[in-house]
Amino acid sequence: KAGVTQTPRYLIKTRGQQVTLSCSPISGHRSVSWYQQTPGQGLQFLFEYFSETQRNKGNFPGRFSGRQFSNSRSEMNVSTLELGDSALYLCASGPQAGDHEQYFGPGTRLTVT
Amino acid sequence: AQSVTQLGSHVSVSEGALVLLRCNYSSSVPPYLFWYVQYPNQGLQLLLKYTTGATLVKGINGFEAEFKKSETSFHLTKPSAHMSDAAEYFCAVRKSGYSTLTFGKGTMLLVSP
Repeated sequence: KAGVTQTPRYLIKTRGQQVTLSCSPISGHRSVSWYQQTPGQGLQFLFEYFSETQRNKGNFPGRFSGRQFSNSRSEMNVSTLELGDSALYLCASGPQAGDHEQYFGPGTRLTVT
Repeated sequence: AQSVTQLGSHVSVSEGALVLLRCNYSSSVPPYLFWYVQYPNQGLQLLLKYTTGATLVKGINGFEAEFKKSETSFHLTKPSAHMSDAAEYFCAVRKSGYSTLTFGKGTMLLVSP
């Protein structure tokens, strides 16, 4: 089985712009979670989706949003980018929500200049 | 609320020496505990996990961890370090029934010849 795929792998944006990141889960997986990784704050949970519904949300401003499609693919969007949004964004997929192992993708490295 | 503390942002060992990475957690309910490894420019790979049952958990690449409820600890060990073990290691906790992981700040393991 192919692993979790994230596109693009690297992205450079300017302050004030918006960005959309994509995550394709492992085939058959219906749960997708997003995490932000920065040197200062470490790994922080953004949101979790299951069957196109947001199941849980972390403590991030409203500029961060996401969605999940009927094929379980997920996108996250960050509007009005700030320098502090520079981070590695990791996506993880699982077969179901709740007590199931999650598998992480390689991440998208976002740099905001 | 749950939290994870990893003692030491960097740990240096010689090849062949014992690896010990420390993790303490705080949780109001019985936790599920995990260790992940991250190589440069890659996502997170699960090393091992504790959910219920045996408190000594064996993982991949010769790593193991012991859940000690009385000490709220879940330290990661490997008897003999290999150069290929050099990476960043993250301890994480999750509540039963939820997918969301709470991570520690990570420990960078440096292995010298």
